Amino acid sequence: GENVEQHPSTLSVQEGDSAVIKCTYSDSASNYFPWYKQELGKGPQLIIDIRSNVGEKKDQRIAVTLNKTAKHFSLHITETQPEDSAVYFCAASTNFNKFYFGSGTKLNVKP
Amino acid sequence: DTEVTQTPKHLVMGMTNKKSLKCEQHMGHRAMYWYKQKAKKPPELMFVYSYEKLSINESVPSRFSPECPNSSLLNLHLHALQPEDSALYLCASSQDRTGKIFGPGTRLTVL
Repeated sequence: GENVEQHPSTLSVQEGDSAVIKCTYSDSASNYFPWYKQELGKGPQLIIDIRSNVGEKKDQRIAVTLNKTAKHFSLHITETQPEDSAVYFCAASTNFNKFYFGSGTKLNVKP
Repeated sequence: DTEVTQTPKHLVMGMTNKKSLKCEQHMGHRAMYWYKQKAKKPPELMFVYSYEKLSINESVPSRFSPECPNSSLLNLHLHALQPEDSALYLCASSQDRTGKIFGPGTRLTVL
């Protein structure tokens, strides 16, 4: 089955700096890659996603890049703010029903 | 209405109790999911309902019993749980080929 690895497990940045979280996947059939943000005591929130026919997608301060050949995808957050502090999960999927999640990255943005 | 709601927010139950978790969405999504999430771990898929029919059961013990009374509602019936079943139970929904929208979860404690 699919195996998704996520790095780093924790990331501390200064407010205003950029943050990058990386994921690799093993199944070349995976074609959908969502990213979720989970704040303490809340459910995961879909923040951006990308499909395998696209190399990059951007939404304001958040962008995701996908390299199908290398089987890795990354989340980029620019101009980080304290409210970006949360746990971020990447995921890979072949059929939209079953998501294989990475282990999560705890992002701490220091004011 | 663009959210998934879950009740109750918190639940404490003994090992001999029977209780139910409830999930509701009014986005017209035809797929609904139950996930279990332990602390500092990604969500783990338990069940998938597609068009009100159970399509995936991830080998979940029979003390968890899902039910989908209609396209907007999803229940999870709990009976004879163990302390290790204590976790955050998340409901999610999605439309064809879109990202999942998660609810806020029910924090379950089994004594």
